[in-house]
Amino acid sequence: AQSVTQLDSHVSVSEGTPVLLRCNYSSSYSPSLFWYVQHPNKGLQLLLKYTSAATLVKGINGFEAEFKKSETSFHLTKPSAHMSDAAEYFCVVSPNSGGYQKVTFGIGTKLQVIP
Amino acid sequence: NAGVMQNPRHLVRRRGQEARLRCSPMKGHSHVYWYRQLPEEGLKFMVYLQKENIIDESGMPKERFSAEFPKEGPSILRIQQVVRGDSAAYFCASSPATGGQETQYFGPGTRLLVL
Repeated sequence: AQSVTQLDSHVSVSEGTPVLLRCNYSSSYSPSLFWYVQHPNKGLQLLLKYTSAATLVKGINGFEAEFKKSETSFHLTKPSAHMSDAAEYFCVVSPNSGGYQKVTFGIGTKLQVIP
Repeated sequence: NAGVMQNPRHLVRRRGQEARLRCSPMKGHSHVYWYRQLPEEGLKFMVYLQKENIIDESGMPKERFSAEFPKEGPSILRIQQVVRGDSAAYFCASSPATGGQETQYFGPGTRLLVL
């Protein structure tokens, strides 16, 4: 069994300040983890993914996430928020159990960036 | 390399009509997934298909919903006798293979409104 918990449904930051979006997971296997971003009325775009290589993963648009097995976390960060970062962010877990397994989406975190 | 394509982008139907949503996966991808996103909710898995095969339909409602991915042409998600509760955004994703490390690439979605 697997699950994803995004701890904040809404996060609000000022432009130029750091962003932290929190994600905790549970999985029976060593999982792959993903962050996707969805801008209003758009599809989902992959930001970054962790697949058991380096625990610090760099993604697009200055985002990065760190896989911490001991904390079962995969928080998304960015040093300085930009107005264009305002969107909804989804944390996704996929078990590496071999063969097909469903991925599980978190409920999403809406990021608001205040000018 | 074109991304995942979905059409129509917006679809309006009256209660009782049929809705037909189409998804063309990325070139070289033979795995297609359908998700539904209700307002203020995350993505919910519906069905996973490979060419001419339904692999996992555990997320599909038991009635009125069906999906196919024929040998030629796009994948189709079909909703018969639509009701207002079917109003949602429907996303298609594709991947080149299955397994935990494979990234799913999403289309822009079809937004269905049932009047």
